[in-house]
Amino acid sequence: AQKVTQAQTEISVVEKEDVTLDCVYETRDTTYYLFWYKQPPSGELVFLIRRNSFDEQNEISGRYSWNFQKSTSSFNFTITASQVVDSAVYFCALRGYTGANSKLTFGKGITLSVRP
Amino acid sequence: KAGVTQTPRYLIKTRGQQVTLSCSPISGHRSVSWYQQTPGQGLQFLFEYFSETQRNKGNFPGRFSGRQFSNSRSEMNVSTLELGDSALYLCASSGTTTNEKLFFGSGTQLSVL
Repeated sequence: AQKVTQAQTEISVVEKEDVTLDCVYETRDTTYYLFWYKQPPSGELVFLIRRNSFDEQNEISGRYSWNFQKSTSSFNFTITASQVVDSAVYFCALRGYTGANSKLTFGKGITLSVRP
Repeated sequence: KAGVTQTPRYLIKTRGQQVTLSCSPISGHRSVSWYQQTPGQGLQFLFEYFSETQRNKGNFPGRFSGRQFSNSRSEMNVSTLELGDSALYLCASSGTTTNEKLFFGSGTQLSVL
């Protein structure tokens, strides 16, 4: 069975601090996809990034960056110079390639609060 | 391009009743999946439909069912509601392949009294 663990439940930082959200996953599939979603208070999940299991290249998008390490089954998300608008719940998710594993499995989410 | 539309936005029901939630995917998307979100259990997969066929199913009792129509719109039904069914129900749509990102609707907040 697939599993996603987000050990941090709540993080509070002051604006302009850097913050890293951790994600550890488990799967037996060799082909799989990892995602990060943001859920603001409005409730709608907003897609941030998708990574496939064959692409371990780190990615940077503005203030956001992601570190994918297959050796440790981790897919961590860093926000540089955080802003109040970054306050939300962040979910890491895993999707296998076939069968029952092709469903999207979410972690419990991390509530990030950025204080002015 | 319109996003994923879920109706109604809020719903209040009593135990024992049944409820039907609706989801209209993004135009051109053929896959629709449903998720239940609660404070205790987090986001849990309910089922996924592709071209009117159920492609995957989560670990929920048979009271939870769904269907997809030829225009890709989907409905989910919960019969004999229980207090524990109170949750935010999210619908997501995607194109055709497993690796595509999902686009989520704003959800239906169901309260069972």
